[in-house]
Amino acid sequence: GAGVSQSPRYKVAKRGQDVALRCDPISGHVSLFWYQQALGQGPEFLTYFQNEAQLDKSGLPSDRFFAERPEGSVSTLKIQRTQQEDSAVYLCASSPGPSYNSPLHFGNGTRLTVT
Amino acid sequence: AQSVTQLGSHVSVSEGALVLLRCNYSSSVPPYLFWYVQYPNQGLQLLLKYTTGATLVKGINGFEAEFKKSETSFHLTKPSAHMSDAAEYFCAVSDRRSGGYQKVTFGIGTKLQVIP
Repeated sequence: GAGVSQSPRYKVAKRGQDVALRCDPISGHVSLFWYQQALGQGPEFLTYFQNEAQLDKSGLPSDRFFAERPEGSVSTLKIQRTQQEDSAVYLCASSPGPSYNSPLHFGNGTRLTVT
Repeated sequence: AQSVTQLGSHVSVSEGALVLLRCNYSSSVPPYLFWYVQYPNQGLQLLLKYTTGATLVKGINGFEAEFKKSETSFHLTKPSAHMSDAAEYFCAVSDRRSGGYQKVTFGIGTKLQVIP
């Protein structure tokens, strides 16, 4: 009965480093979303997976951002050559199906600070 | 494209007073609307949702919201504020994509402060 789990909880990276953020969705959930939440802002959509297929990556801010979900469960968001503007909380959410009115179950997020 | 506007980034109410958090939406199709709550250092949690049917929606913790199409509004209310209601509240709208999946757009959030 565990919820969505994200790790690490906090990550400090030096500018230029690569980082990898992990999301463990609720077991059996088909849909998985990544959101970016900057300080004082609402979550902004990054990308969407339906099982292992990445159906929408329109929100990824640059080609430095890459996400995968190879087996349709755990997902990883990778940011290459981090920049200060990448500092934000990265939220992962899952839902049981693709249904447009299905509520999202959020993890507690990973707070990334780029120095 | 759909969007939501939350009026007031910070709202303060006294304990026991009415809570009113405002949200207006813009959508080219009948919207699916949500309110989420975020406690410090936690993820977002669903409070309530409107899909179809009854326009007055009841959620958890005594919150409710009314969908008003003529006003394109979905304001969140609670008759009597409790100290534990202090949190950030996000209004959101869901867009049905051609692939059948939802893309949820969030407002910037309203921080609710409850004064004892």
